[in-house]
Amino acid sequence: DADVTQTPRNRITKTGKRIMLECSQTKGHDRMYWYRQDPGLGLRLIYYSFDVKDINKGEISDGYSVSRQAQAKFSLSLESAIPNQTALYFCATSGTGASYEQYFGPGTRLTVT
Amino acid sequence: GQNIDQPTEMTATEGAIVQINCTYQTSGFNGLFWYQQHAGEAPTFLSYNVLDGLEEKGRFSSFLSRSKGYSYLLLKELQMKDSASYLCAVRANNAGNMLTFGGGTRLMVKP
Repeated sequence: DADVTQTPRNRITKTGKRIMLECSQTKGHDRMYWYRQDPGLGLRLIYYSFDVKDINKGEISDGYSVSRQAQAKFSLSLESAIPNQTALYFCATSGTGASYEQYFGPGTRLTVT
Repeated sequence: GQNIDQPTEMTATEGAIVQINCTYQTSGFNGLFWYQQHAGEAPTFLSYNVLDGLEEKGRFSSFLSRSKGYSYLLLKELQMKDSASYLCAVRANNAGNMLTFGGGTRLMVKP
């Protein structure tokens, strides 16, 4: 089984709808992240959490909110989706070792029409 | 802020060697990462450099010069499966130790 899972994997929604993307991990990591990826722009950080009671905004948090329901679960919400939020969304986790590399989920492809 | 530059696309021949460069400008540098990402898939970790020099891992090597703000990823004995995007990411301790990613270099390996 995958260490980091995301649901749904693909989603098409309409402008103005609320949508939630979910992420679960079995790596036992405290740190979790949400990124979006757009062609040519690389990965950009939306929100991150260092533990259940710690939530921080990233580079592009406007229009998004998050919830850390447990150590293993971190969800991303779009309260009122707009077309420029069409992107590939990745959840990631990391530990606190020397390099604390990030492990990515398989991604959610979101299309807002 | 941070600025990370890497070429958008590169093409190389199967069996050859290719070097993908990454330059960065940041304060509070605290490590540089390379990730591989096949189309439509998740990025996977390749290498980490925090001190100057070369880190070798099988066919892949990564080099860092902190004074020049420069890194490269070297891929030897290229295989068709190496066709992917390669992402350079910098961690800075004045940015909460978060990673900032470059736009990625799409490598196409031809027979």
